[in-house]
Amino acid sequence: AQSVTQPDIHITVSEGASLELRCNYSYGATPYLFWYVQSPGQGLQLLLKYFSGDTLVQGIKGFEAEFKRSQSSINLRKPSVHWSDAAEYFCAGYSGTYKYLFGTGTRLKVLA
Amino acid sequence: DSGVTQTPKHLITATGQRVTLRCSPRSGDLSVYWYQQSLDQGLQFLIQYYNGEERAKGNILERFSAQQFPDLHSELNLSSLELGDSALYFCASSPGTSGGAEQFFGPGTRLTVL
Repeated sequence: AQSVTQPDIHITVSEGASLELRCNYSYGATPYLFWYVQSPGQGLQLLLKYFSGDTLVQGIKGFEAEFKRSQSSINLRKPSVHWSDAAEYFCAGYSGTYKYLFGTGTRLKVLA
Repeated sequence: DSGVTQTPKHLITATGQRVTLRCSPRSGDLSVYWYQQSLDQGLQFLIQYYNGEERAKGNILERFSAQQFPDLHSELNLSSLELGDSALYFCASSPGTSGGAEQFFGPGTRLTVL
């Protein structure tokens, strides 16, 4: 069955430290892949998306993601985290059957 | 502000009742998507409409239904409500039907079933 997995439910980092959030997918073929961010009480905002081409994808707010086909993963990274990055992050995949699958989310806490 | 509006922001009702959630997409967007976000199920895709027609179905219960009107706004109808239907319901919109298109999410409607 198709799935999107985020193995880390919570992650805590210090402000200024680097960040990597993990996401693995299971599809018949490489789907469209997305990273969204959800701040408390708000809807989701797209950070970046990947379908093909370069394995390093640049997004908004200083985020980037590295796609690794061999590991069926697309991990989200940021070199230096700001306190305002505290939020919940969702990885999502889209298959050719018009269905979107979301991971369970990773809640990021940033220590001052 | 994504440009997607949802009303009401909060809704409290009792088991067995029926409610209607409303969504207005961004200007020019033809696709509307509905999602349910709950603590135990996470974020679940429910249904997609494109220009008035149902395009895709996800994990939508038979007690739930949706439609998209000629002016492109959409309504999600939830009937015979159960305690487990308490959740945050999001609407999103995108310009077309391409799965790779960015979806713009509304602020959500928080439904509480007592």
